[in-house]
Amino acid sequence: DAGVIQSPRHEVTEMGQEVTLRCKPISGHNSLFWYRQTMMRGLELLIYFNNNVPIDDSGMPEDRFSAKMPNASFSTLKIQPSEPRDSAVYFCASSPPAGGPDTQYFGPGTRLTVL
Amino acid sequence: DAKTTQPPSMDCAEGRAANLPCNHSTISGNEYVYWYRQIHSQGPQYIIHGLKNNETNEMASLIITEDRKSSTLILPHATLRDTAVYYCIVRVEGAGSYQLTFGKGTKLSVIP
Repeated sequence: DAGVIQSPRHEVTEMGQEVTLRCKPISGHNSLFWYRQTMMRGLELLIYFNNNVPIDDSGMPEDRFSAKMPNASFSTLKIQPSEPRDSAVYFCASSPPAGGPDTQYFGPGTRLTVL
Repeated sequence: DAKTTQPPSMDCAEGRAANLPCNHSTISGNEYVYWYRQIHSQGPQYIIHGLKNNETNEMASLIITEDRKSSTLILPHATLRDTAVYYCIVRVEGAGSYQLTFGKGTKLSVIP
């Protein structure tokens, strides 16, 4: 059974460019999370979707960040324009519907470097 | 969610049991204790969770004290692949609760 799939695994871009990160959650899971990890701030929740609807985006740093979930099997996190301080590892996670183990399954992450 | 306190680092000899402590003295009655780990360059991985009874699965055992103010994650026979940062998290389980707040965790080094 495939886990959470993220693409690309690595992204190097220049300041000012648009960056799009992609995530495919585990089939049957109805919750999706985007996290960011840096040495300084650790793991931070950016946004949480339930049944494709954004529930909590209070962790999104600023208007340059946006996330969408057009269907149950795909989500994107977009940064426009990107800045060097956005350099981090971005993780996507999914979890099953209520009633089962309340655990989050993480993808391998996308390492973003903004020059 | 209650705050947790973990030692920043620990060493364990390969093949021995690794006992990772976590203090959560302000835990409330409906909060569960979760453990995740993160191996270098990978995403966090769920290990185990419990409310008040001790729990065991194929990866580890979780021992929660009777007053629930602390717990210990036990890896019975640590291998080099268990070298990782281990996070203890307390949170309410169920609808409306989704936040996983990761602290700094404990960096476990398994020594050959």
